Amino acid sequence: GENVEQHPSTLSVQEGDSAVIKCTYSDSASNYFPWYKQELGKRPQLIIDIRSNVGEKKDQRIAVTLNKTAKHFSLHITETQPEDSAVYFCAASRRTGRRALTFGSGTRLQVQP
Amino acid sequence: NAGVTQTPKFQVLKTGQSMTLQCAQDMNHEYMSWYRQDPGMGLRLIHYSVGAGITDQGEVPNGYNVSRSTTEDFPLRLLSAAPSQTSVYFCASSYSKVSESEQYFGPGTRLTVT
Repeated sequence: GENVEQHPSTLSVQEGDSAVIKCTYSDSASNYFPWYKQELGKRPQLIIDIRSNVGEKKDQRIAVTLNKTAKHFSLHITETQPEDSAVYFCAASRRTGRRALTFGSGTRLQVQP
Repeated sequence: NAGVTQTPKFQVLKTGQSMTLQCAQDMNHEYMSWYRQDPGMGLRLIHYSVGAGITDQGEVPNGYNVSRSTTEDFPLRLLSAAPSQTSVYFCASSYSKVSESEQYFGPGTRLTVT
């Protein structure tokens, strides 16, 4: 089955700096890669996603890049703000077979004011 | 729309007890899933359903049963609770294939087994 590895497990940055979180996946048939943000005690919420026919996607301060050859994808947050502090999860899913997400283990991002 | 709802929010069980975690969605979503979240391990798939009457196992199905008699509801049953099942449980739904549409998560149920 699919295996998703996520690094780093914790990340501390100064407000205004950029943050990068990286994930690798094992199943070459995976074609959908969402990123979720989870604040303490809350449910995961989708912040951005990318499909395998696209190499990069951007939404304001957030961007995701995908390298299908190397089987890795990354989340980039620019101009970080204290409200970006949360746990971020990457995930992967394939079009056929098990139609659910396999998650990475999460990255706790702390933005220092 | 209420979205995805889960009950109860919190539950404490003794080892060996059984219970059902409820999940409902009012968005007419075909796909529903159950995940458990443990510290440092992300979310792991327990069971999922691609439509009423159809369920399948995820990564960690042992000790759990599901059924999907209606589009709206997807209950998760713990047959004989064990301390290893202490976790936060999330239900999720999506309109179509996960690879094609956003998954919406419920607020979660925090379960403690003593």
